[in-house]
Amino acid sequence: QLQLQESGPGLVKPSETLSLTCTVSGGSISSSSYYWGWIRQPPGKGLEWIGSIFYSGSTYYNVSLKSRVTISVDTSKNQFSLKLTSVTAADTAVYYCARRIVVVVADYGMDVWGQGTTVTVSS
Amino acid sequence: SYELTQPLSVSVALGQTARITCGGNNIGSKNVHWYQQKPGQAPVLVIYRDRDRPSGIPERFSGSNSGNTATLTISRAQAGDEADYYCQVWDSSTVVFGGGTKLTVL
Repeated sequence: QLQLQESGPGLVKPSETLSLTCTVSGGSISSSSYYWGWIRQPPGKGLEWIGSIFYSGSTYYNVSLKSRVTISVDTSKNQFSLKLTSVTAADTAVYYCARRIVVVVADYGMDVWGQGTTVTVSS
Repeated sequence: SYELTQPLSVSVALGQTARITCGGNNIGSKNVHWYQQKPGQAPVLVIYRDRDRPSGIPERFSGSNSGNTATLTISRAQAGDEADYYCQVWDSSTVVFGGGTKLTVL
């Protein structure tokens, strides 16, 4: 059974870079049917998509975050990562990684999610 | 950018039918997915591509999509269905979420 696990610092200082990794277990990240993505949820608020990556390295980003976000993939480790630069308190959130199913060009939704990791931006 | 509009809250009596809407411009032309999120937990996909259920999701959960509104229907509502529900589409190379609806089972 495929599982996703987020890891990274739970506390980041303002203006610094938030770095998280999602480890995929129970399956290969190198599949043509999936995109791998990051979603966040500020306390008491809704879900916000950050971006997605294909195993080849092709990426899609939320336009509102694009200038600060980099998502990368390491197929040898079955991992993908998120970097968010110049963070502020507004970036405090639970960060989830998730698998999105894409068949040809059709979107089938995000069927597997990590448990989420809380990141607080504070000095 | 594309926007999805959901009611902030919906209430349903135990055993009755709940309907949660998701509005968007010509949303009927898009594939809509629905997620259930309980407090302190990650979201769970309950409906994909408008009306399909992932394995393990009860038949009580169903979906429809036409015109400018997609609807998630929960029949015979149970206390365990109380959660936040989010709709989601893919538009212009972007994942878009609705703002979420809190379902209360009375």
